[in-house]
Parts: sequence; C-alpha cells; structure tokens
Amino acid sequence: GDSVTQMEGPVTLSEEAFLTINCTYTATGYPSLFWYVQYPGEGLQLLLKATKADDKGSNKGFEATYRKETTSFHLEKGSVQVSDSAVYFCALRKTSGSRLTFGEGTQLTVNP
Amino acid sequence: EPEVTQTPSHQVTQMGQEVILRCVPISNHLYFYWYRQILGQKVEFLVSFYNNEISEKSEIFDDQFSVERPDGSNFTLKIRSTKLEDSAMYFCASSDRGSGRQETQYFGPGTRLLVL
Repeated sequence: GDSVTQMEGPVTLSEEAFLTINCTYTATGYPSLFWYVQYPGEGLQLLLKATKADDKGSNKGFEATYRKETTSFHLEKGSVQVSDSAVYFCALRKTSGSRLTFGEGTQLTVNP
Repeated sequence: EPEVTQTPSHQVTQMGQEVILRCVPISNHLYFYWYRQILGQKVEFLVSFYNNEISEKSEIFDDQFSVERPDGSNFTLKIRSTKLEDSAMYFCASSDRGSGRQETQYFGPGTRLLVL
C-alpha cells in the first residue's frame, strides 16, 4: 500500500541554519504531495504542496520539489527562525481518493 | 481566516464508556474527515464523509465507530465502547472538494482522548 517515510527526529538547529527534512514515498501513479506543520497546541496546517512531478511548492521560505525519479519531496529552508519550531508532517494523497497518508512527523527545534 | 474547531480539547474516559468528539468544519466545506494519531505513531486516516454518507473508511474504522452530521454545522465521531487502545489525538478536517489535485484538507487542533 501507499506509505510515506520521513527522516527520524528530533532535529535541533541554531537560528539561521539551513534545514532539510527528508521525505520519501511509495505509491502507484502520481499522488499529490504535501507538507503540513503543527505548532504547539494547534492543528495541522498546510505548509505547501505539489501536485505533479517537478513541481516546486513554496511558502514562508520553505520549499520542496516533487521528484518522481527518486520518489522524494524533501523540505528545505535556507535560514530557520525560532518561530519555525514545530512538528512537520509529509503526506501524500492519490488523485482519485481523499485519504491523506502521513509520515511519522519530524520535531524541529530552533534555538536562538 | 476560517478554521476548523474541535471540542473538547481533552477528554478522559473509562474503558467501555461512549464518547462523542465534536467538530465544526469550515462553513462552506462539504467534505469531512477524521484522523487519529496514537502517541508516537503516524497520523492515520479513519473516515471521510460527504452528503450524509461515509465515502471512504479505513480498516481502523470498525463497528464501534460512527460519524454523523447532526445539524448544519457539527460533525461528530462517536466511539461506542472505548478501549485502552483508542487513546489518541483525534483530528477533524474539512475540504471544499473531495478529490482532485486542487483539494486541500484543513485540520482542527485535535481532541486528545485518554481511555483509562
């Protein structure tokens, strides 16, 4: 079945460091790919998405590129801030269906 | 900005008791979902709901679970006889379309359920 695998956390960085959170997926066809973020005490918020191969999703300085050849959707940010501390979830959804399949989530802590 | 809300934020119950988790989806959305996350595990899909019917459910969503849209604003998840393994964070989500590349699900803050 479909699955999403994220790099193990937690990840701790200093402010202004470069961030990469790896995400790979297994699915048939061409799923849509998502990154959700969960700030403390809040729900899952859509951060960015990409709906076809080679698309780049971007938002708030974060970006991720849909790589069909490596079945990956790695999240990157050039300079993290303390306010980026949160849990980040990679997810996929088949075009024909509605259910989201999530990765394990990666806890990011950014220290001043 | 419109948001999905959920009540209560925390619920503690005894094993075997019934619980009802409540959600108010975004007002113009027609597609509703429940997911759960057991501590330390992945967020898992439970069920999707459209036009007063379940449109898709996972293997987890057995006979002890049910969903309902009792009025024009609420969407509920009922667990008839809770088990210890039902302890989890339950997330409600809604979207304005049920599938397709432009579909985006918006999530609530979750209800943390603890079964003792």
